[in-house]
Amino acid sequence: DGGITQSPKYLFRKEGQNVTLSCEQNLNHDAMYWYRQDPGQGLRLIYYSQIVNDFQKGDIAEGYSVSREKKESFPLTVTSAQKNPTAFYLCASSITGQGSYEQYFGPGTRLTVT
Amino acid sequence: GNSVTQMEGPVTLSEEAFLTINCTYTATGYPSLFWYVQYPGEGLQLLLKATKADDKGSNKGFEATYRKETTSFHLEKGSVQVSDSAVYFCALRDLFKLSFGAGTTVTVRA
Repeated sequence: DGGITQSPKYLFRKEGQNVTLSCEQNLNHDAMYWYRQDPGQGLRLIYYSQIVNDFQKGDIAEGYSVSREKKESFPLTVTSAQKNPTAFYLCASSITGQGSYEQYFGPGTRLTVT
Repeated sequence: GNSVTQMEGPVTLSEEAFLTINCTYTATGYPSLFWYVQYPGEGLQLLLKATKADDKGSNKGFEATYRKETTSFHLEKGSVQVSDSAVYFCALRDLFKLSFGAGTTVTVRA
């Protein structure tokens, strides 16, 4: 079955620690995305990558970092510089180009930092 | 920049009621428009999409029509079920990314 996997589903960390969220896809998509979702708000784009070894900041990149060393993988690191890291994080992927290509989402990781 | 505004919730309905969720957009040109659905504790799933003016997207009894003249893409379903309880997001394609509305929480009671 093709799809996007995110692990773990729930993650707990102490304040001041960096944490890395995993995102893997086997859809052969070139583009991958990270979003943050807070209660009562829409999704906000953190980072996106259109191709391996290249990525761009989204609307709320401060306190986050990413890498794109493989087409299938786009891990997100939440650093200690992120002021309010507790949130639901969603990874997505899509075909690249200017067409009407929808994004496919993973099941999400709920991060709680105390 | 391009943006989406959707009606605030929460919306609570009885089974078999008619559902409408309003969505309007601001954009240069004619971007593709989407409705996504999120069930509790899960990621988003594409519900339907439309790529040009007057296109109608439909899926699982839901419909939405791309209206250029009113810059709208309202979601409708004629008879909702308890299983339709979810958060619904309107979105538009903005170059290489999607811009989402804030989401509308829908609860259907038996």
